[in-house]
Amino acid sequence: QKEVEQDPGPLSVPEGAIVSLNCTYSNSAFQYFMWYRQYSRKGPELLMYTYSSGNKEDGRFTAQVDKSSKYISLFIRDSQPSDSATYLCAERFSGGYNKLIFGAGTRLAVHP
Amino acid sequence: GAVVSQHPSWVICKSGTSVKIECRSLDFQATTMFWYRQFPKQSLMLMATSNEGSKATYEQGVEKDKFLINHASLTLSTLTVTSAHPEDSSFYICSAPGDLKTATNEKLFFGSGTQLSVL
Repeated sequence: QKEVEQDPGPLSVPEGAIVSLNCTYSNSAFQYFMWYRQYSRKGPELLMYTYSSGNKEDGRFTAQVDKSSKYISLFIRDSQPSDSATYLCAERFSGGYNKLIFGAGTRLAVHP
Repeated sequence: GAVVSQHPSWVICKSGTSVKIECRSLDFQATTMFWYRQFPKQSLMLMATSNEGSKATYEQGVEKDKFLINHASLTLSTLTVTSAHPEDSSFYICSAPGDLKTATNEKLFFGSGTQLSVL
C-alpha cells in the first residue's frame, strides 16, 4: 500500500464549477499537509499548508484535513481555465524536516 | 514566498556525457536543499538531500556516484548527472525550505525544474 493515494484523473470540469481533489494516507504520524499546483514542465507551487484537522481557506481554495479518517481535500471554487494543472498532495512527519511524501497528482482540466 | 532558481530549464546531451544542474536560493539562505526526479505523469520522487558543507544524503536506490551533489554555499546546490544514459532522461527539480527569519522554513519551495534528454 502506498503511503499516499491520489486519483491521477484526469478530471475535466466546466469553467465556474467547484472542484474537489482528494488524497488518503496510511501513516497516522503525518502531521503536516500541503497542496501543490504544478503546470506542465514547471516546478510545483505551494498552494495550501496545514497542520491541523479542519478547514483552511485562501481565496478560491479551501484545504480540508480529517486526521481521524486520514483524508485530505482541496476545493476550488469558481474554477478557471488557468486552474488547469496537476495538483499534488504532500505530507510529512513532525520530525521529518521537509522530507515530503507526495501523492501521484491529479490532472485537472477546466474548459471554457 | 521564497524564490528558488534552477537552470538550465532543459538540456539535451549525448550518452556518456555529464550534465550539471544548478539550484539557487535567491533571497534567502538554504543549508538544506532537496533534489527530486519526476517521470511523465508520475509524482515527485526524492533522490537526495543536499547539505551545505557536508555530504549529501541519498535515498535508497539512488546511485551516489552517478548523481553527484555539491552544496558549496548557503545559496547554491548542484546536481551532476555523470555518464548520462537515455534512462536518465527525466525532469529534475530542486527545492529548499523557506527562510527561518520569515517563518516560512517549514514550507518547501521548488525550482522550475530541468528537463534532461539523453540521446
